[in-house]
Amino acid sequence: DADVTQTPRNRITKTGKRIMLECSQTKGHDRMYWYRQDPGLGLRLIYYSFDVKDINKGEISDGYSVSRQAQAKFSLSLESAIPNQTALYFCATSDPAWGIGELFFGEGSRLTVL
Amino acid sequence: QKEVEQNSGPLSVPEGAIASLNCTYSDRVSQSFFWYRQYSGKSPELIMSIYSNGDKEDGRFTAQLNKASQYVSLLIRDSQPSDSATYLCAVGPYNQGGKLIFGQGTELSVKP
Repeated sequence: DADVTQTPRNRITKTGKRIMLECSQTKGHDRMYWYRQDPGLGLRLIYYSFDVKDINKGEISDGYSVSRQAQAKFSLSLESAIPNQTALYFCATSDPAWGIGELFFGEGSRLTVL
Repeated sequence: QKEVEQNSGPLSVPEGAIASLNCTYSDRVSQSFFWYRQYSGKSPELIMSIYSNGDKEDGRFTAQLNKASQYVSLLIRDSQPSDSATYLCAVGPYNQGGKLIFGQGTELSVKP
């Protein structure tokens, strides 16, 4: 089983719908992140959390919210999805003890907003 | 200007050749630099990290960092078709683990 698991892996939805992407990890890392990837734009940070009580905005947080339910769980929500949120979303974890900047990524959640 | 710039490619090299991937960054206080490899349809994986000026070698991979020129590169010696992937350059301030800025990635194709 993957150390960082994302659900769903693929989702097609309509404009205005609420969507939640879930991430769970078995690595025991405190730090968790949500990135989105668009062709030609690389990975961009949406939100990150360094522990259960810590939530921080990244580069592109508008239109998104997150919840850190436990050390192992970090969810990303789109309250009212719009077409330009169509992208590949990655959850990632890190632990400075394993090397600063080493991110462990989930398999990705491909979201299409029609 | 993007904070981290890479040529998007595709970069095509013959099998056995040296592939050279380049990255420039704009934030002078950046202190940590990483190369991630992403196969098509897969998630990125870390292949190299470098923190000091100079070269760092790991097998067929060499990372080179020049902070004065704000430039980091990745050399892949004896390129193999299995090296065909997109290579993402990532830059971050020291001890801000995970708050990385990624380039757009360079697609590498190694032809047999």
